[in-house]
Amino acid sequence: GQQVMQIPQYQHVQEGEDFTTYCNSSTTLSNIQWYKQRPGGHPVFLIQLVKSGEVKKQKRLTFQFGEAKKNSSLHITATQTTDVGTYFCADNQAGTALIFGKGTTLSVSS
Amino acid sequence: DGGITQSPKYLFRKEGQNVTLSCEQNLNHDAMYWYRQDPGQGLRLIYYSQIVNDFQKGDIAEGYSVSREKKESFPLTVTSAQKNPTAFYLCASSRADTQYFGPGTRLTVL
Repeated sequence: GQQVMQIPQYQHVQEGEDFTTYCNSSTTLSNIQWYKQRPGGHPVFLIQLVKSGEVKKQKRLTFQFGEAKKNSSLHITATQTTDVGTYFCADNQAGTALIFGKGTTLSVSS
Repeated sequence: DGGITQSPKYLFRKEGQNVTLSCEQNLNHDAMYWYRQDPGQGLRLIYYSQIVNDFQKGDIAEGYSVSREKKESFPLTVTSAQKNPTAFYLCASSRADTQYFGPGTRLTVL
């Protein structure tokens, strides 16, 4: 079946450094969603990308959807301690439930 | 105050006992989902329901059962057949494409 893979699994950065997590699929993604889960919390929806090559920004976060719709990325500029958590991508295939990647856990030291 | 509630937050059970986890939403969402989260495994889908009185198995349905008698409620029963039930269980509901998660129940089987 379809798999959504995320790399890296863990990433530690110094506060102020940039961070990127990548989401890759063996098949064409329909729509890609990104969620953030703070430690001890539950996943919270961040954004959805629909179009090939789409780029969306939320303050210091930049989300991209690959031209072939087989990959996506989340880039955080100048990380802060509030960015700590696990970031999940998920493929939103119409008519079924989301298929989640295993997530990238980000830790930030000040 | 709208949202998804899961109770209890922490649950302890003895091995061999069935246990039912509660999930209630007042968002008027048609679709509801149950996920299991283990360290390093991301979110794995157990069951989902797109409409009342109908539900489908997810990737790891063995040892679990659900019911969807009301739109607002989607309880999950962890049966004694589930070989490794200790985990963090997340319930979600969705309208259109976005999933909204409850706070989760951490189940420990002793």
